[in-house]
Amino acid sequence: NAGVMQNPRHLVRRRGQEARLRCSPMKGHSHVYWYRQLPEEGLKFMVYLQKENIIDESGMPKERFSAEFPKEGPSILRIQQVVRGDSAAYFCASSDRAANTGELFFGEGSRLTVL
Amino acid sequence: QQQVKQSPQSLIVQKGGISIINCAYENTAFDYFPWYQQFPGKGPALLIAIRPDVSEKKEGRFTISFNKSAKQFSLHIMDSQPGDSATYFCAASTTGTASKLTFGTGTRLQVTL
Repeated sequence: NAGVMQNPRHLVRRRGQEARLRCSPMKGHSHVYWYRQLPEEGLKFMVYLQKENIIDESGMPKERFSAEFPKEGPSILRIQQVVRGDSAAYFCASSDRAANTGELFFGEGSRLTVL
Repeated sequence: QQQVKQSPQSLIVQKGGISIINCAYENTAFDYFPWYQQFPGKGPALLIAIRPDVSEKKEGRFTISFNKSAKQFSLHIMDSQPGDSATYFCAASTTGTASKLTFGTGTRLQVTL
């Protein structure tokens, strides 16, 4: 059973470009979470999605950031018009149930560098 | 109120010693407290978790102590080994359809020979 797959693992973008990060949850998992980790800091919650639905986006910046988890295919975290402050590691986690009742399985992250 | 405060920021322990990491929370609605371990370049992985109905949970060399009245919980690593060198995150979550984990800021543990 493959783990949570994230790609790309590393992404370099210039200011103003778009970044798209993809996450394929573990097989059978319908709950997906995105977290951001800045250097030397903890993981900050961004968004919680179930298939075709955004359940909680309270951690998402109000502009430039969006997420989706379509019926078919991976979850996508999209960052438009990237700025240097967006440089971070973005982790996706999946679960077969809500976060307080079961383990979250994390991918290895996508490291975004904005030049 | 959603914060989880973690200390220390970094910790150096000799091989065979006990590593202790502490976390405190404010939100009394939190009812699930996991600890995650993260190695450099990897994603976090669940180490051990506890719910407020017990005061201690032990799995191998890893023990969580939970103090509900003080709103604190801690991770103890007994007989620490160099392979335990990693960053440890405490977290907390509440019951509900919008459940999510709130993480502490992490503790970088180094176990020396």
